[in-house]
Amino acid sequence: RKEVEQDPGPFNVPEGATVAFNCTYSNSASQSFFWYRQDCRKEPKLLMSVYSSGNEDGRFTAQLNRASQYISLLIRDSKLSDSATYLCVVDSNYQLIWGAGTKLIIKP
Amino acid sequence: NAGVTQTPKFQVLKTGQSMTLQCAQDMNHNSMYWYRQDPGMGLRLIYYSASEGTTDKGEVPNGYNVSRLNKREFSLRLESAAPSQTSVYFCASLDTGGHTEAFFGQGTRLTVV
Repeated sequence: RKEVEQDPGPFNVPEGATVAFNCTYSNSASQSFFWYRQDCRKEPKLLMSVYSSGNEDGRFTAQLNRASQYISLLIRDSKLSDSATYLCVVDSNYQLIWGAGTKLIIKP
Repeated sequence: NAGVTQTPKFQVLKTGQSMTLQCAQDMNHNSMYWYRQDPGMGLRLIYYSASEGTTDKGEVPNGYNVSRLNKREFSLRLESAAPSQTSVYFCASLDTGGHTEAFFGQGTRLTVV
Protein backbone atom coordinates (compact mmCIF):
# COMPACT_ATOMS: atom_id res chain seq x y z
CA ARG A 1 0.00 0.00 0.00
CA LYS A 2 1.32 3.46 -0.90
CA GLU A 3 1.89 5.82 2.01
CA VAL A 4 -0.30 8.47 0.44
CA GLU A 5 -3.00 7.58 -2.06
CA GLN A 6 -5.17 9.74 -4.25
CA ASP A 7 -7.67 9.08 -7.00
CA PRO A 8 -5.78 10.17 -10.13
CA GLY A 9 -8.95 11.36 -11.88
CA PRO A 10 -9.41 13.23 -14.06
CA PHE A 11 -12.42 14.86 -12.48
CA ASN A 12 -14.34 16.65 -15.23
CA VAL A 13 -16.52 19.27 -13.57
CA PRO A 14 -18.69 22.07 -15.01
CA GLU A 15 -17.80 25.61 -14.06
CA GLY A 16 -19.63 26.70 -10.92
CA ALA A 17 -20.00 23.21 -9.51
CA THR A 18 -18.63 21.92 -6.22
CA VAL A 19 -16.01 19.21 -6.31
CA ALA A 20 -14.36 17.23 -3.55
CA PHE A 21 -11.57 14.74 -3.44
CA ASN A 22 -9.93 12.70 -0.73
CA CYS A 23 -6.49 11.48 0.08
CA THR A 24 -5.68 8.58 2.39
CA TYR A 25 -2.45 8.15 4.32
CA SER A 26 -0.97 5.16 6.09
CA ASN A 27 1.24 6.62 8.84
CA SER A 28 -0.99 7.27 11.82
CA ALA A 29 1.81 9.28 13.46
CA SER A 30 1.75 11.95 10.74
CA GLN A 31 1.25 15.43 12.11
CA SER A 32 1.26 17.79 9.16
CA PHE A 33 -0.90 17.73 6.06
CA PHE A 34 -1.00 19.92 3.01
CA TRP A 35 -2.67 20.39 -0.33
CA TYR A 36 -0.48 21.61 -3.18
CA ARG A 37 -1.55 22.69 -6.62
CA GLN A 38 0.48 21.88 -9.70
CA ASP A 39 -0.24 23.39 -13.09
CA CYS A 40 0.80 21.56 -16.21
CA ARG A 41 4.58 21.45 -16.58
CA LYS A 42 5.06 23.74 -13.57
CA GLU A 43 6.37 23.29 -10.05
CA PRO A 44 3.97 22.48 -7.16
CA LYS A 45 2.81 25.39 -5.03
CA LEU A 46 1.18 25.33 -1.61
CA LEU A 47 -2.59 25.67 -1.77
CA MET A 48 -3.32 25.24 1.92
CA SER A 49 -2.24 23.49 5.06
CA VAL A 50 -4.77 21.17 6.69
CA TYR A 51 -5.48 21.65 10.36
CA SER A 52 -7.14 19.23 12.77
CA SER A 53 -10.20 21.43 13.14
CA GLY A 54 -10.57 21.89 9.40
CA ASN A 55 -9.89 25.16 7.65
CA GLU A 56 -11.29 27.30 4.91
CA ASP A 57 -9.67 29.70 2.50
CA GLY A 58 -12.22 31.39 0.28
CA ARG A 59 -13.78 28.73 -1.95
CA PHE A 60 -11.48 26.02 -0.62
CA THR A 61 -12.12 23.90 2.47
CA ALA A 62 -9.75 21.29 3.83
CA GLN A 63 -10.68 18.64 6.38
CA LEU A 64 -8.68 16.07 8.32
CA ASN A 65 -10.12 12.81 9.60
CA ARG A 66 -7.51 11.18 11.82
CA ALA A 67 -9.66 8.20 12.75
CA SER A 68 -10.02 7.15 9.12
CA GLN A 69 -6.67 8.62 8.08
CA TYR A 70 -7.74 10.80 5.24
CA ILE A 71 -7.78 14.43 4.28
CA SER A 72 -10.18 16.08 1.90
CA LEU A 73 -10.32 19.16 -0.28
CA LEU A 74 -13.60 20.80 -1.26
CA ILE A 75 -13.76 23.45 -3.97
CA ARG A 76 -16.96 25.46 -4.23
CA ASP A 77 -18.11 27.54 -7.20
CA SER A 78 -15.31 26.12 -9.32
CA LYS A 79 -13.57 28.38 -11.84
CA LEU A 80 -11.86 27.54 -15.09
CA SER A 81 -8.62 28.61 -13.42
CA ASP A 82 -9.01 25.82 -10.85
CA SER A 83 -8.05 23.30 -13.52
CA ALA A 84 -4.82 21.73 -12.27
CA THR A 85 -3.48 18.70 -10.47
CA TYR A 86 -3.96 18.70 -6.71
CA LEU A 87 -1.30 16.97 -4.67
CA CYS A 88 -1.87 15.66 -1.18
CA VAL A 89 1.21 15.84 1.05
CA VAL A 90 1.74 14.21 4.43
CA ASP A 91 4.73 14.42 6.67
CA SER A 92 6.24 11.12 7.78
CA ASN A 93 9.28 11.08 10.01
CA TYR A 94 10.07 14.67 9.04
CA GLN A 95 9.93 13.94 5.33
CA LEU A 96 7.18 15.02 3.01
CA ILE A 97 5.39 12.13 1.31
CA TRP A 98 3.56 13.12 -1.85
CA GLY A 99 0.47 11.62 -3.39
CA ALA A 100 0.48 11.13 -7.15
CA GLY A 101 -2.11 13.87 -7.55
CA THR A 102 -5.70 14.25 -8.66
CA LYS A 103 -6.26 15.95 -11.98
CA LEU A 104 -9.15 18.41 -12.08
CA ILE A 105 -10.58 19.79 -15.32
CA ILE A 106 -13.16 22.55 -15.08
CA LYS A 107 -15.30 22.84 -18.20
CA PRO A 108 -17.10 26.01 -19.32
CA ASN B 1 13.80 37.55 -3.81
CA ALA B 2 14.43 34.67 -6.21
CA GLY B 3 13.34 31.80 -3.92
CA VAL B 4 14.65 28.54 -5.38
CA THR B 5 16.69 28.73 -8.55
CA GLN B 6 17.26 25.53 -10.47
CA THR B 7 19.34 25.02 -13.61
CA PRO B 8 19.21 23.94 -16.35
CA LYS B 9 15.54 23.96 -17.35
CA PHE B 10 16.01 21.45 -20.15
CA GLN B 11 18.70 18.90 -20.93
CA VAL B 12 19.17 16.04 -23.35
CA LEU B 13 21.88 13.51 -22.54
CA LYS B 14 23.19 10.45 -24.26
CA THR B 15 23.30 7.23 -22.27
CA GLY B 16 26.46 7.17 -20.19
CA GLN B 17 26.99 10.92 -20.10
CA SER B 18 27.21 12.76 -16.80
CA MET B 19 25.71 16.02 -15.66
CA THR B 20 25.03 18.08 -12.56
CA LEU B 21 21.77 19.82 -11.76
CA GLN B 22 22.25 22.96 -9.72
CA CYS B 23 19.92 24.31 -7.06
CA ALA B 24 20.23 27.40 -4.90
CA GLN B 25 17.85 29.00 -2.40
CA ASP B 26 18.04 32.44 -0.86
CA MET B 27 15.54 31.90 1.97
CA ASN B 28 18.07 30.67 4.54
CA HIS B 29 16.31 27.29 4.72
CA ASN B 30 18.00 24.40 6.46
CA SER B 31 16.46 21.55 4.48
CA MET B 32 16.79 20.95 0.78
CA TYR B 33 15.43 18.14 -1.39
CA TRP B 34 15.73 16.62 -4.82
CA TYR B 35 12.67 14.94 -6.33
CA ARG B 36 11.87 13.32 -9.61
CA GLN B 37 8.39 13.33 -11.08
CA ASP B 38 7.23 10.76 -13.59
CA PRO B 39 3.77 10.54 -15.14
CA GLY B 40 1.23 9.08 -12.73
CA MET B 41 3.77 8.63 -9.93
CA GLY B 42 3.86 11.91 -8.09
CA LEU B 43 7.03 13.28 -6.55
CA ARG B 44 9.59 10.74 -5.41
CA LEU B 45 12.42 11.76 -3.13
CA ILE B 46 15.91 11.09 -4.48
CA TYR B 47 18.09 12.66 -1.78
CA TYR B 48 17.65 15.25 0.89
CA SER B 49 19.80 17.40 3.12
CA ALA B 50 18.35 18.22 6.52
CA SER B 51 21.08 20.76 7.18
CA GLU B 52 24.36 22.03 5.80
CA GLY B 53 26.91 19.23 5.79
CA THR B 54 24.44 16.34 5.86
CA THR B 55 22.81 14.33 3.08
CA ASP B 56 20.58 11.28 3.17
CA LYS B 57 19.07 8.90 0.67
CA GLY B 58 15.44 9.12 -0.20
CA GLU B 59 13.16 6.64 -1.92
CA VAL B 60 15.01 6.40 -5.26
CA PRO B 61 18.72 7.28 -4.79
CA ASN B 62 20.32 4.75 -7.15
CA GLY B 63 22.24 6.38 -9.99
CA TYR B 64 22.49 9.76 -8.27
CA ASN B 65 24.83 11.61 -5.98
CA VAL B 66 24.37 14.90 -4.18
CA SER B 67 26.46 17.63 -2.62
CA ARG B 68 25.32 20.20 -0.09
CA LEU B 69 27.96 22.74 -0.99
CA ASN B 70 26.82 25.28 1.61
CA LYS B 71 23.52 26.31 3.15
CA ARG B 72 22.31 27.83 -0.12
CA GLU B 73 23.30 25.20 -2.65
CA PHE B 74 22.38 21.54 -3.16
CA SER B 75 23.45 19.85 -6.39
CA LEU B 76 22.38 16.56 -7.94
CA ARG B 77 24.78 14.59 -10.11
CA LEU B 78 24.11 11.83 -12.60
CA GLU B 79 27.42 10.05 -13.14
CA SER B 80 26.32 7.80 -15.98
CA ALA B 81 22.89 8.70 -17.28
CA ALA B 82 20.42 5.97 -18.22
CA PRO B 83 17.13 6.21 -20.15
CA SER B 84 15.31 5.29 -16.91
CA GLN B 85 16.45 8.65 -15.53
CA THR B 86 14.39 10.52 -18.08
CA SER B 87 12.12 12.57 -15.86
CA VAL B 88 11.32 16.00 -14.50
CA TYR B 89 13.53 16.91 -11.56
CA PHE B 90 12.53 19.37 -8.87
CA CYS B 91 14.62 20.92 -6.15
CA ALA B 92 12.82 22.14 -3.04
CA SER B 93 13.68 23.79 0.24
CA LEU B 94 11.98 23.95 3.64
CA ASP B 95 12.56 26.03 6.71
CA THR B 96 12.13 23.04 9.03
CA GLY B 97 11.51 19.39 8.35
CA GLY B 98 8.05 18.88 6.96
CA HIS B 99 6.04 21.41 8.92
CA THR B 100 6.16 24.44 6.73
CA GLU B 101 5.70 25.31 3.09
CA ALA B 102 8.04 23.70 0.57
CA PHE B 103 9.32 26.03 -2.12
CA PHE B 104 10.25 24.55 -5.46
CA GLY B 105 12.50 25.40 -8.33
CA GLN B 106 10.97 25.52 -11.79
CA GLY B 107 12.10 22.02 -12.64
CA THR B 108 14.56 20.41 -15.04
CA ARG B 109 13.21 18.33 -17.90
CA LEU B 110 15.82 15.70 -18.56
CA THR B 111 15.75 13.30 -21.47
CA VAL B 112 18.30 10.51 -21.74
CA VAL B 113 18.53 8.93 -25.17
